[in-house]
Amino acid sequence: EVQLLDSGGDLVQPGGSLRLSCAASGFTFSNYAMSWVRQAPGKGLEWVSTISDSGGSTYYADSVKGRFTISRDNSKNTLYMEMNSLRAEDTAVYYCAKERISMIIVGYFASWGQGTLVTVSS
Amino acid sequence: EIVMTQSPATLSVSPGERATLSCRASQTVSSNLAWYEQKPGQAPRLLIYGASIRATGVPARFSGSGSGTEFTLTISSLQSEDFAVYYCQQYNNWPRTFGPGTKVDIK
Repeated sequence: EVQLLDSGGDLVQPGGSLRLSCAASGFTFSNYAMSWVRQAPGKGLEWVSTISDSGGSTYYADSVKGRFTISRDNSKNTLYMEMNSLRAEDTAVYYCAKERISMIIVGYFASWGQGTLVTVSS
Repeated sequence: EIVMTQSPATLSVSPGERATLSCRASQTVSSNLAWYEQKPGQAPRLLIYGASIRATGVPARFSGSGSGTEFTLTISSLQSEDFAVYYCQQYNNWPRTFGPGTKVDIK
């Protein structure tokens, strides 16, 4: 069974930094592209970033480009999101998500973590 | 960026009735369209991909149709567990974009 365990969310001041993690199990992590999707309180879903199975390709929403960095450690079956220069509008639940098909980036999300809450406030 | 719109924003339906949800893309996304269900306090769940292909374990009462810019999610006979928010998402282009959601609630 696919399991994605998101962690690292916290209360952080504007301008601060945070690193999110997503521990994966139940599938061959190194074969799948992974993504982060966020949801502000009471709002809809927003795609944030995607990384290819090898980590060689990364993609970002304009709203986070230059501030967030997605990465992965295939030896540890873990996905990361380094978040810098955080703003109030980054406040959201962040979900990691797995592609349905291995070896390629298709772009929809077959499995999701439970989410971790990031609150940016002074 | 492709803008996704959904209608209606809220749909009030009685259990056992049919629900029809619409999703429109600002430009063609071919059949690269997914639908998700989200219940309060839970992560989204993939229902449909490729505009019309049910994901593993999704009941047959859920069906998707459409291509290009106009898409529909139909729930043929609403069960109590189907009252939720439904999102469409295009994956034809970067950035991936979601619609604002349709909330299906009990009439």
